[in-house]
Amino acid sequence: EAGVAQSPRYKIIEKRQSVAFWCNPISGHATLYWYQQILGQGPKLLIQFQNNGVVDDSQLPKDRFSAERLKGVDSTLKIQPAKLEDSAVYLCASSPGLASQQFFGPGTRLTVL
Amino acid sequence: EDQVTQSPEALRLQEGESSSLNCSYTVSGLRGLFWYRQDPGKGPEFLFTLYSAGEEKEKERLKATLTKKESFLHITAPKPEDSATYLCAVRAGNNRKLIWGLGTSLAVNP
Repeated sequence: EAGVAQSPRYKIIEKRQSVAFWCNPISGHATLYWYQQILGQGPKLLIQFQNNGVVDDSQLPKDRFSAERLKGVDSTLKIQPAKLEDSAVYLCASSPGLASQQFFGPGTRLTVL
Repeated sequence: EDQVTQSPEALRLQEGESSSLNCSYTVSGLRGLFWYRQDPGKGPEFLFTLYSAGEEKEKERLKATLTKKESFLHITAPKPEDSATYLCAVRAGNNRKLIWGLGTSLAVNP
């Protein structure tokens, strides 16, 4: 079974630039999550989708971050404009349902200079 | 406020030296406690889910246990390949969101 795919794996940008990350979840998984993980910390949930609807985006900085999950499969997370403090690993995860265990992708390491 | 605390922050063991990692939690209405392993440069990998006090689960050299206040991840006769960060997360009440600890960084020396 193919796992969660993410791209790119690494991205370096300057502050105020924009960046987008892509995630393809495990086939058939209805729930998709985007997390931000800063070095030495646990993952912080940014947004959670159930199919193509948003379940929780309470910790998403909506003035600069946006996410969409068109057709309930792939998802993109965008940051515009980026700040230095956005430097982190952005993890995508998926699960069969809302209360199920989550399966994580390899993450995208973002460095903002 | 719901909270998850992991200890120690870092642990260094010799190969074969058994030990335990702790995950203590204060949540209202536990709906599941999850253990994950994270290797450098990779996403967390699911290990166990525990739902009720007294429950235990095992996988190779790892055994997870749960009480009403905490969970332990016991590592028996660890090997260098067990070196990783171990993360604990809980789901509480009607909240579908996982509450994560900061993790324990484990290093096993040959």
